Amino acid sequence: GAVVSQHPSRVICKSGTSVKIECRSLDFQATTMFWYRQFPKQSLMLMATSNEGSKATYEQGVEKDKFLINHASLTLSTLTVTSAHPEDSSFYICSAREGVSGANVLTFGAGSRLTVL
Amino acid sequence: RKEVEQDPGPFNVPEGATVAFNCTYSNSASQSFFWYRQDCRKEPKLLMSVYSSGNEDGRFTAQLNRASQYISLLIRDSKLSDSATYLCVVTRGATNKLIFGTGTLLAVQP
Repeated sequence: GAVVSQHPSRVICKSGTSVKIECRSLDFQATTMFWYRQFPKQSLMLMATSNEGSKATYEQGVEKDKFLINHASLTLSTLTVTSAHPEDSSFYICSAREGVSGANVLTFGAGSRLTVL
Repeated sequence: RKEVEQDPGPFNVPEGATVAFNCTYSNSASQSFFWYRQDCRKEPKLLMSVYSSGNEDGRFTAQLNRASQYISLLIRDSKLSDSATYLCVVTRGATNKLIFGTGTLLAVQP
């Protein structure tokens, strides 16, 4: 089945630094990838939709200048948390949908747990 | 109102029990419906899609009521390994964006 690789799985950084998270579709091409964030004991919240070759679309309340998304190829999307602060500490998960359309079934990466000190 | 609402639980049931989870969604234009399972500190994994006619996969049965905007998941003969958080997932209207409920925590006791 479809596999999505996400890296790093865990990162600890100092406040004010930037952190990049990579999401790769390993055996399929993904024109669209989705980035979610999950705080402890809460649901996954959709942050943005990453579109290959064009700008990402962000959900209401998500700062596009803080969470930079780049989807330069059909198999790679990156999320950069710029000038991270402790409140950005969370579980970030990417997902990808195989094919252009279809069943809307998403395959998720294993997630990246960010801790900002 | 939340887009997708679930009872957070926890549901504590003995092995072998039958347990049912419910979910409601607010957007009547939603097209696709799923149940995902999430283990502690792990990514969600697709359990099953939910079809209008209802569908079954082994011990799991999903139902959809479009008129009431209601989805259910029934687990029969619960196993210890079923312990997890069950996430109700709905597409936002006619888009392809998946919106997650807060999840229902199931703990199956020996």
